[in-house]
Amino acid sequence: KNQVEQSPQSLIILEGKNCTLQCNYTVSPFSNLRWYKQDTGRGPVSLTIMTFSENTKSNGRYTATLDADTKQSSLHITASQLSDSASYICVVSRNSGYSTLTFGKGTMLLVSP
Amino acid sequence: NAGVTQTPKFQVLKTGQSMTLQCAQDMNHNSMYWYRQDPGMGLRLIYYSASEGTTDKGEVPNGYNVSRLNKREFSLRLESAAPSQTSVYFCASKKDLGLGGGQFFGPGTRLTVL
Repeated sequence: KNQVEQSPQSLIILEGKNCTLQCNYTVSPFSNLRWYKQDTGRGPVSLTIMTFSENTKSNGRYTATLDADTKQSSLHITASQLSDSASYICVVSRNSGYSTLTFGKGTMLLVSP
Repeated sequence: NAGVTQTPKFQVLKTGQSMTLQCAQDMNHNSMYWYRQDPGMGLRLIYYSASEGTTDKGEVPNGYNVSRLNKREFSLRLESAAPSQTSVYFCASKKDLGLGGGQFFGPGTRLTVL
């Protein structure tokens, strides 16, 4: 069964600290993996996309890693800001006849002053 | 350039009532999608449209109908609303159906069915 599991479910960190969010998937055949940020009351917005051959990709203070062998990805946030408070969703795309996405349940991050 | 817009933002219905959620995109994208997001669950695909004139069922299509009115607009209709359809509904669009991901999401419609 195609699944995406994210951990932790929720996380509280102090402003300025770093954190790492995890994503494990069983989606096959794998096409790519995206991390989305969803602010409260808003739609998800793409942060990064990673394909099979990519190990690391950065977008400002966000760095995503991918280990296609173990089917794990992480999103590292450096020097957190209050505006980083949001839900972070891992989405894996299956390389099938048409685009099929499997969404994780998300990690709710709260950055506290 | 507004991206993906959805109306209404909020709606309360009584069981059995009908309504249509509207979605429009101005990015000249070919494919459009409707999702629902429930607490503690990932987004689930209701219907999608690969291109103007075509629609297909997603993971949870029961109780919904869709219309791809033109390239810009994709509406979702609830013919007889049920409390189980209380959810946040997101419309999304993407340039093409293939290659996965890369969807642009609208701000969502929060629907409550009493």
